[in-house]
Amino acid sequence: AQSVTQPDIHITVSEGASLELRCNYSYGATPYLFWYVQSPGQGLQLLLKYFSGDTLVQGIKGFEAEFKRSQSSFNLRKPSVHWSDAAEYFCAVGAREYGNKLVFGAGTILRVKS
Amino acid sequence: DTGVSQNPRHKITKRGQNVTFRCDPISEHNRLYWYRQTLGQGPEFLTYFQNEAQLEKSRLLSDRFSAERPKGSFSTLEIQRTEQGDSAMYLCASSLGDRNGDGYTFGSGTRLTVV
Repeated sequence: AQSVTQPDIHITVSEGASLELRCNYSYGATPYLFWYVQSPGQGLQLLLKYFSGDTLVQGIKGFEAEFKRSQSSFNLRKPSVHWSDAAEYFCAVGAREYGNKLVFGAGTILRVKS
Repeated sequence: DTGVSQNPRHKITKRGQNVTFRCDPISEHNRLYWYRQTLGQGPEFLTYFQNEAQLEKSRLLSDRFSAERPKGSFSTLEIQRTEQGDSAMYLCASSLGDRNGDGYTFGSGTRLTVV
């Protein structure tokens, strides 16, 4: 069965500090991987995506993620967090073989302290 | 193109009533997806359409739920005889289907509260 695990429910970082959000997946096909961000009461905004090629992908708002096939991981990073990054972050996995529908993790809530 | 539009943004209904939500996808997107998100969880897949054809439905989609995309453009999701457990955010997304490099674009969602 397809699954996505985000081990950290909450993370608190200081403004200006670096950030890493973890994501591990279990999937029976070649995965497409995504990170989305959601502000309270809002829909999801795509931060970045990985389909193939370079395993380090750059996204919007200064985020990047690295795909590590051997570890089944797709961790999200940002070198310096801004207060406006406080939100909930979701990792998701999909595949063409499954109609491109996405399986999401439970999310990680990021709090930024000044 | 203003993205994926969902209406209404909020809906409060009494248990047992029927509700209908609408989603207008990005015009050139041929795939349309419905997801449900409950508090503290990630979105869960409900169903998707390619053009007007409904290609897959999740087991989460009970007989009280029905979705349509009659002309391959907008879609509606209807819940009959609502229950308190139906309270959730209902998210619609669209995409260009099989094209590699394409991610979803989500709408802002419809928040349903069943009282």
